Order: sequence, then C-alpha cells, then structure tokens
Amino acid sequence: DTGVSQDPRHKITKRGQNVTFRCDPISEHNRLYWYRQTLGQGPEFLTYFQNEAQLEKSRLLSDRFSAERPKGSFSTLEIQRTEQGDSAMYLCASSPSDRSDEQFFGPGTRLTVL
Amino acid sequence: ELKVEQNPLFLSMQEGKNYTIYCNYSTTSDRLYWYRQDPGKSLESLFVLLSNGAVKQEGRLMASLDTKARLSTLHITAAVHDLSATYFCAVDYRPTQGGSEKLVFGKGTKLTVNP
Repeated sequence: DTGVSQDPRHKITKRGQNVTFRCDPISEHNRLYWYRQTLGQGPEFLTYFQNEAQLEKSRLLSDRFSAERPKGSFSTLEIQRTEQGDSAMYLCASSPSDRSDEQFFGPGTRLTVL
Repeated sequence: ELKVEQNPLFLSMQEGKNYTIYCNYSTTSDRLYWYRQDPGKSLESLFVLLSNGAVKQEGRLMASLDTKARLSTLHITAAVHDLSATYFCAVDYRPTQGGSEKLVFGKGTKLTVNP
C-alpha cells in the first residue's frame, strides 16, 4: 500500500499521560500536514512541514503539543499531559511540492483521553 | 481569516431523489476540494476543482466551482443508500499576511439516504 499510513489507529490513555503518534507520508511527498477533527466538526489545521522544516503551527497547537519530521520522511506528533479535550481524530496528510496538488489523507489516529 | 460554510449540515433524502449541497467561503481562493467521510474513517477525495467554472462528475455526484461567487455545489442525482456519508468541502487558503497554505474545511453535511 503506497498511501499515507498512521500508527496507532486507536489510542486510549488516561488524563495526564503523554502520547505519540506517527505518520508515514506517501513516498517522495515533500509536504506533510497534521489536522485534528473533533466529533461533528470538519478537520482543523494543526501544523505543516516542508521536508524537515516545520513552517507553520496553528494557534490550536498549545505548548503541550510538539511535532517533528526529523529526516523529512515520517513525522511524529506528541501530546504531553493529555487532557480530555484532546480527544479527537488526528489526521495526517501529504502532498507533493507543487501547490496545485491535492492533499492525501491517512486513516487517522483516534485518541480517547479518559 | 477564511471561513467556510456548508449547508445543509444534515440532509435526509429518499432514494431516487436529487439534491444539492452548498459550500460558501469568505475570501478569494481558486482551489476547492470535496471529500467523503464514512463513520470512523478518514477522508476520501472526491473532487478537485482548480479553476472558475470547473465542473466534475463521478457517478451520481457532480461538483462545480464559481470563484467569483465564492461558491461550490455538490449535486446528487438519483440518490442511493451507498451515498450515505458526511461530505466536506475544503478550500485551499494562503493568508495574505504570510504563512503557509492549508486546507480550511466546512463543518460537513451528513447525508442519509433512506430506502
């Protein structure tokens, strides 16, 4: 399968714990995006990488959130000291470097914070 | 800041009927996308609309884009149960004050097609 993959697909954690999600974009896609989707809402932009550089972070991304893309390939999103409000689907998308190309979404990681 | 509004948010229709979902957006953009999402699943790309007047059709779905009116429509023809899902429009947005481009999504239209 050559699509965007995410791991894990589901994560249940207790409030206050740290969690880390991984995204593997489509091979050779330079751009990688993280979005968050809460129940009944559309996805909301969190952050964007071009190769290994994190070029933008949304105001939605508090200090408890950090994202990396160390070698310009896979990316990780870490949430420290999780809160119940962090419960959501976290979606990763990738696209080639040409702005006209669409973003391809992964299956998402569903986080539940108890 | 770009705002994207879809209506209706909920749509219940009978098989065989036609209906249109509307997507309005507040600032200039010439790229718009339609996605389908089934419960608990990720987003499936339906249409990519890249210019004013663009019209694309796939099966019972047809999407169009009017960049001057800042409006896109998703028309459903002779609906069938398999079309039941949530449909999102997303607008490609590049802030004029700087910052990277991103997709801004509407809240989605939950479509239920009844036999």
